[in-house]
Amino acid sequence: QSALTQPASASGSPGQSITISCTGTSSDIGEHGYVSWYQQHPGKAPKLMIYDVTNRPSGVSNRFSGSKSGNTASLTISGLQAEDEADYYCTSYKPINTVVFGGGTKVTVL
Amino acid sequence: EVQLLESGGGLVQPGGSLRLSCAASGFAFSNYAMSWVRQAPGKGLEWVATITFNGGSTHYADSVQGRFSISRDNSKSTVYVQMDSLRAEDTALYHCVKGRDGSRISSGWDSWGQGTLVTVSS
Repeated sequence: QSALTQPASASGSPGQSITISCTGTSSDIGEHGYVSWYQQHPGKAPKLMIYDVTNRPSGVSNRFSGSKSGNTASLTISGLQAEDEADYYCTSYKPINTVVFGGGTKVTVL
Repeated sequence: EVQLLESGGGLVQPGGSLRLSCAASGFAFSNYAMSWVRQAPGKGLEWVATITFNGGSTHYADSVQGRFSISRDNSKSTVYVQMDSLRAEDTALYHCVKGRDGSRISSGWDSWGQGTLVTVSS
């Protein structure tokens, strides 16, 4: 059982937007702005897509955006493309000095 | 270009030990925190351990606390994890990952190695 809760799957048609939720508690996501999101294609190493809730690393498409409300963080993918089909994982800082992952969400482009 | 090359994985019996290494290049290694993240076959990602830029602080997941020990040699740009008292549930692909800053354990991991496979089985 993962510390953060993500939906097992999400899907959308090309060009649509989808949002993936990541629910924690008041002691992790709710209290700290240290949420990251990772994209993992099959057989590949994960890739950082969002850090500190809303920030995109250099080179990551601006179609990816992050937000947070209360104990839930979200990743939105706009203008869905075939290459976005992958697994997505959220992480959060959790006191004291640990990091917790969500169980992952499989995104399918219809 | 940042490169992280893990080594040291293999088959080990329950209760045994392994030491994984990660040779880093392409960035100022001594300025960044380094971590290990693992992924059991067909499962999700799990944070294992983090060491700050100068080795002054180390942090561990509850699942490995007391059995694993992370260390680094900045002169060799290499991070290690010593894994003792291994269990079947430690079977996973172990990734070496680079933090975005020197001290925060949750600053985001912006570079990942391809991983080294550890199999714990009799």
